[in-house]
Amino acid sequence: DAKTTQPTSMDCAEGRAANLPCNHSTISGNEYVYWYRQIHSQGPQYIIHGLKNNETNEMASLIITEDRKSSTLILPHATLRDTAVYYCIVTGGGNKLTFGTGTQLKVEL
Amino acid sequence: GAVVSQHPSWVICKSGTSVKIECRSLDFQATTMFWYRQFPKQSLMLMATSNEGSKATYEQGVEKDKFLINHASLTLSTLTVTSAHPEDSSFYICSARAYRGDTEAFFGQGTRLTVV
Repeated sequence: DAKTTQPTSMDCAEGRAANLPCNHSTISGNEYVYWYRQIHSQGPQYIIHGLKNNETNEMASLIITEDRKSSTLILPHATLRDTAVYYCIVTGGGNKLTFGTGTQLKVEL
Repeated sequence: GAVVSQHPSWVICKSGTSVKIECRSLDFQATTMFWYRQFPKQSLMLMATSNEGSKATYEQGVEKDKFLINHASLTLSTLTVTSAHPEDSSFYICSARAYRGDTEAFFGQGTRLTVV
């Protein structure tokens, strides 16, 4: 599975958009980009995933660059409850989800 | 999203005893289940992958005789920590996936194990 690089931490004001970047320059053609988040002392929560096209659901939007070497998770209107560690994971048909260190997002008033 | 339930949420056991943790997919059939361990302030570490009806595949460095995994049905997998020691104290999390390929995995709420 391709390795990902994320910033260690980010801050965001409540009500503003949170844009979380992820670099995955070694991604291969059959690998998907998955985003999960983990609120303290809970199991990870699925957010969104994509292959090539941008994706949007009720939680977030996923923007994948044309060369697929990076992506951005967008939480359009962050709330205090969005404070969590966000993990960007790239994986293919092997199905294993290998977690890196993720980005600690802190949403503040 | 689909629901994965873990039981118990927390457990305290004496050193040398065994502890069983259950992971159930409540509204879908899970062909594959994963078990993770997470120490404080660290990321999740994959311990093993189990497919229904077959033996689990353990990650390098994980003792299969200490962490027994059973995936007897499409909705239930169990992790048994045998002869637990204080260093086994951790947050154990299971995950389940319905199909291979392009599907998301859903996670249980985790089990906090404390060995005293």
